[in-house]
Amino acid sequence: QKEVEQDPGPLSVPEGAIVSLNCTYSNSAFQYFMWYRQYSRKGPELLMYTYSSGNKEDGRFTAQVDKSSKYISLFIRDSQPSDSATYLCAMSAGGKLIFGQGTELSVKP
Amino acid sequence: DGGITQSPKYLFRKEGQNVTLSCEQNLNHDAMYWYRQDPGQGLRLIYYSQIVNDFQKGDIAEGYSVSREKKESFPLTVTSAQKNPTAFYLCASSIVGTGVQETQYFGPGTRLLVL
Repeated sequence: QKEVEQDPGPLSVPEGAIVSLNCTYSNSAFQYFMWYRQYSRKGPELLMYTYSSGNKEDGRFTAQVDKSSKYISLFIRDSQPSDSATYLCAMSAGGKLIFGQGTELSVKP
Repeated sequence: DGGITQSPKYLFRKEGQNVTLSCEQNLNHDAMYWYRQDPGQGLRLIYYSQIVNDFQKGDIAEGYSVSREKKESFPLTVTSAQKNPTAFYLCASSIVGTGVQETQYFGPGTRLLVL
């Protein structure tokens, strides 16, 4: 079993839709949770960072961590074609980052 | 303009050949990392270094080698022992610390193809 599982998609939604991206994990020691966005043939860029459980909002993006269920989510409101990318979750207990497989998202105009 | 640069953007390797991927950062970060990305497999750690002249193997170090002679530079050599080198290679750097300080910043990547 992988430490971090992420549905690879692809996920296709119409413009304006609410998108939910999810990861599950098995290591209860993880405390730091990140979401990276990667456009095609580019390096990943940090989108959201969360420490421990709870929600964090930044514009149209909300990151949610539920440590009791070992489950993290990224919500995108009013999705735009420019949001089309691969989204990678990543987490650590302090030290090495463990990445999910990435979810490919396509937002259709 | 701070950031991480990788070169070349595309690299072709012939069978039996060693090739070296360049990674340079001017963020004054102590830690640097090399990842390999294959479709559907996310990022896998090859090597990392937290200080000059020291580096550690990651999860898939076989067939690769690195050096860290300068803080700014962390080149990766893909040796002939790596039998399946075709992939997208990503270099990253970070501060050595905890929590948000460990945020890794990525370069634009090098795509390696086998002829």
